[in-house]
Amino acid sequence: AQTVTQSQPEMSVQEAETVTLSCTYDTSESDYYLFWYKQPPSRQMILVIRQEAYKQQNATENRFSVNFQKAAKSFSLKISDSQLGDAAMYFCAYRGQGGSEKLVFGKGTKLTVNP
Amino acid sequence: DVKVTQSSRYLVKRTGEKVFLECVQDMDHENMFWYRQDPGLGLRLIYFSYDVKMKEKGDIPEGYSVSREKKERFSLILESASTNQTSMYLCASSLPARGVGYTFGSGTRLTVV
Repeated sequence: AQTVTQSQPEMSVQEAETVTLSCTYDTSESDYYLFWYKQPPSRQMILVIRQEAYKQQNATENRFSVNFQKAAKSFSLKISDSQLGDAAMYFCAYRGQGGSEKLVFGKGTKLTVNP
Repeated sequence: DVKVTQSSRYLVKRTGEKVFLECVQDMDHENMFWYRQDPGLGLRLIYFSYDVKMKEKGDIPEGYSVSREKKERFSLILESASTNQTSMYLCASSLPARGVGYTFGSGTRLTVV
């Protein structure tokens, strides 16, 4: 079974600085998708960014970008110019092949943004 | 704006009660999911459904059941609530395509006393 590991339970960053959240995963599949979700205190899970495994180019969405290293099975999230509104729990997730198409989540990283 | 709506934001129930958590989506999504979220454990899949009247067990189905009589509605049932089922419950839906993410509801925080 696939597993997703987020090794940093908590991280903090100064406003306007850059922070990188780590995620590794274990799979024997070659075709899959990876996601980062944000959960602010409102509890609403929001999709931040996605990456297709067969694409070499790292995904970017405004201030959010990923460093996808397929061979190393690593999928880190970089947040540039951090803002107070970025404070949240961040979850890395994997979605593989098969009919169920279920997401497997990591345990999350709590990001604090200091003014 | 597309939505996944969970009927209750907060719920307090007594041990032994039968509890229904309701989830409705308006996006005509085939797939629906129930996750449980606990601090330090992340999100764990309880049950999912990929079609009306179809259901599959997730990673932690014990003590739970589900019902999907209509495409838009997916109910999670705690047959006899216990204190160890105190948790945040998140419902989500998605299209069958693997490249799309889930759309989540805003969660139900259930306390069993």
